[in-house]
Amino acid sequence: KAGVTQTPRYLIKTRGQQVTLSCSPISGHRSVSWYQQTPGQGLQFLFEYFSETQRNKGNFPGRFSGRQFSNSRSEMNVSTLELGDSALYLCASSPGQGTPDGYGYTFGSGTRLTVV
Amino acid sequence: GQQVMQIPQYQHVQEGEDFTTYCNSSTTLSNIQWYKQRPGGHPVFLIQLVKSGEVKKQKRLTFQFGEAKKNSSLHITATQTTDVGTYFCAGGSQGNLIFGKGTKLSVKP
Repeated sequence: KAGVTQTPRYLIKTRGQQVTLSCSPISGHRSVSWYQQTPGQGLQFLFEYFSETQRNKGNFPGRFSGRQFSNSRSEMNVSTLELGDSALYLCASSPGQGTPDGYGYTFGSGTRLTVV
Repeated sequence: GQQVMQIPQYQHVQEGEDFTTYCNSSTTLSNIQWYKQRPGGHPVFLIQLVKSGEVKKQKRLTFQFGEAKKNSSLHITATQTTDVGTYFCAGGSQGNLIFGKGTKLSVKP
């Protein structure tokens, strides 16, 4: 079956712009989580969506937002981009909320965002 | 807030040597997961431990979950060049999965 699909793979934006990233989870998976990965901070949790509802949120400013659609596809949006937002943004899907019954997250290949 | 600390940050070994990475949480965890990220790749799920004192093996990899469910370790026996990558632990608590910063393993042939 198809894996987790993230688009676009690479993105270059200018400070002050906004960006929308997309994630299509594995078919049948209802939970999507987003992580920001940087060399210095590792994987930092942004938010988790389950059945179109945000279940958990990490410690990121309000410029970071997301949503999930009825087909479980998810988008995250970053407004007023800052240089420090440059990172690899990873989306992970799982069958249910969190990681139930021994299922780990299946990660997408990520979107590498560069803010200049 | 909840933190998951992982050490060491880097480990360089000669092929054939053993390798261990350790993970410690500031709070009791409901489960611990381990992931491997190859250079240029994305994290790939390896295993989940749930029970206190649990030990699981996958070929040359041995995973342990501490009795207090606050620490865990991953041990690789006789490393190979294919083991290169960053190993992350991730602690599950209250519906969240918090990742450690990872241990980057390099293996010299």
